[in-house]
Parts: sequence; C-alpha cells; structure tokens
Amino acid sequence: QQQVKQSPQSLIVQKGGISIINCAYENTAFDYFPWYQQFPGKGPALLIAIRPDVSEKKEGRFTISFNKSAKQFSLHIMDSQPGDSATYFCAASSHGSSNTGKLIFGQGTTLQVKP
Amino acid sequence: KAGVTQTPRYLIKTRGQQVTLSCSPISGHRSVSWYQQTPGQGLQFLFEYFSETQRNKGNFPGRFSGRQFSNSRSEMNVSTLELGDSALYLCASSHAGNQNNEQFFGPGTRLTVL
Repeated sequence: QQQVKQSPQSLIVQKGGISIINCAYENTAFDYFPWYQQFPGKGPALLIAIRPDVSEKKEGRFTISFNKSAKQFSLHIMDSQPGDSATYFCAASSHGSSNTGKLIFGQGTTLQVKP
Repeated sequence: KAGVTQTPRYLIKTRGQQVTLSCSPISGHRSVSWYQQTPGQGLQFLFEYFSETQRNKGNFPGRFSGRQFSNSRSEMNVSTLELGDSALYLCASSHAGNQNNEQFFGPGTRLTVL
C-alpha cells in the first residue's frame, strides 16, 4: 500500500516532443505528490508538486495531471529539450505524526531527449 | 540561500568499519530527512529529524542511526558496514517537516564498501 509505481522505466523522445511519465499509487491517504529531476552525480531537484484538490498544475513546460479516482498522476514535459535528459522520480507522502519527512518514491524514469 | 550541503562527497570503507555522514540543511529549515539510493531499491527513506528528535524511521536495521544538533545540522552513522550498504546517501531539508513535505535535497555522499 505504501508503493508508488512508475512507468516507463526509460523513455526516448525527439527534441520538441512531449515526454509523459506515469505514476500510480494505492494509499488513499497520500496527499502530496512531487516530481523530482536528477542529473548524474547530483541530488534530486524538486520540479513541481500537486495536491489532490486540483487536477492539473502547470509550471513552464512541466505539467502534472492528477486523477484522484484512478489514483494516478503523470508528468508531461512539453517541447522536450536535450537538457531535459535526466532521471525523473515521482513521489508521494501523507501528513500525520507517523509520516513526517517521509517521501515514497517511484522507481524512476530515465529520459533521453534526442537532438 | 545556500542549498543543502553534504560531506564528504565520496567515501570508501571496508566491511565491518563504521562511517559518519554529515548534512547541513538550508538556513531556517529545521527538518532533515535521510534517504538511501541504490540502483536496485531506488530511493528509500531512512529517518527524519526535527528539533534534535527523531520523528520518523524507515525499515532499516539498527546499524543505521542518526542525530540532529541544535543548529539543525544532522549526521547519520552506519556501523558494521556491509557490502550492500554501498549507495548514494542523500539528505533533504524542509522548513518544518509539515504536511507539504517540500523537501530539498543535497548532492549526496557516495559510499563504497569494499
């Protein structure tokens, strides 16, 4: 129930295309869903996050779509650029004294954007 | 504001030794969480500290421990190292470890156990 399942494991997209990464969860207590971007040799960097009271959030070329009934959320990267080539992680957390400071991560998606 | 810093960046140890890793959170952040990242298991939560108290703990053996100081800096210790402890250890800080859980990660410490 604590798992977050992420797909695909790897993704190759042409420059200018749309990259889509999907995540699914079981725990209905999750109430915070961030996406992180990680480059080799670096720590994960927070990209964008959403709460279940909205169905979509957009920041620049990055959009999170959230489907509460299906318990799924996805990251869309519009106009993908070679500089977007990185590993992307979805995550989830819930508030409450037993969950403080704890993010549950998906397994990651390695994105390659071809010039 | 300076980001989260971790020292050292790289460590090589042998089985049976112990190791201490350090994390300095973003100024003003009082919550520090630690994660282990491996190719096989991904990112896994170790524990979280707030105001010098461990508030949450993941499913790791007791060989993994940590502490937090009054200035919010945190250390984690791994005793009796095993080969499987080779990993990238990441710390993340957040303002108060509140329900937003907006965490900012450091660059990590790469631990290799030989």
